[in-house]
Amino acid sequence: QLQLQESGPGLVKPSETLSLTCTVSGGSISSSSYYWGWIRQPPGKGLEWIGSIYYSGSTYYNPSLKSRVTISVDTSKNQFSLKLSSVTAADTAVYYCARVDVDLDTAMVRSFDYWGQGTLVTVSS
Amino acid sequence: QSVLTQPPSASGTPGQRVTISCSGSSSNIGSNTVNWYQQLPGTAPKLLIYSNNQRPSGVPDRFSGSKSGTSASLAISGLQSEDEADYYCAAWDDSLNGHVVFGGGTKLTVL
Repeated sequence: QLQLQESGPGLVKPSETLSLTCTVSGGSISSSSYYWGWIRQPPGKGLEWIGSIYYSGSTYYNPSLKSRVTISVDTSKNQFSLKLSSVTAADTAVYYCARVDVDLDTAMVRSFDYWGQGTLVTVSS
Repeated sequence: QSVLTQPPSASGTPGQRVTISCSGSSSNIGSNTVNWYQQLPGTAPKLLIYSNNQRPSGVPDRFSGSKSGTSASLAISGLQSEDEADYYCAAWDDSLNGHVVFGGGTKLTVL
């Protein structure tokens, strides 16, 4: 059974960079059929797609966050990571990693079919 | 302000049928498929419906999805107490080089 687990600091200071890692088990991140992505949810609010990455390194980002986001992949560790720079209190959220079913010809996301349990990141001094 | 519009709340009694709507535009629901996610309290979202009306393995057939034009709906029949959760619709939006958009979520209460 595919499992995803987020890890990283739960507290980040304003203006610094948020860094999270997602470890995939029960399957290979190098699968040619899927992308891997990040989604966040501010406390008490809805979901927001951050971006997705293919095992080859191809990335797609939410236009509203693109200038601050970097997603990378480490196939040797079966992990992918998120970096969000210049964070503010508005970036406080539960961050989820997920497997992404996509149309590989267009990179259009079809669904997020496996999710990690999520990790709360608070931005505060 | 979410790109996809959902009612903030819905409710029903056990055994009833409830529907949750999701309204979008020609650049998202109007041209791409819709997914629905269920988020039980304190847990991660779970894929409930994909490609407008397909259920992943293990999702009861009490849950069904439909799409017409720029709107979609999730229907839950034979409502059960364990269906009390937040429900989110989502779709690909072709604008701005493409991105995923979500609805604001609907909190379903089983009375």
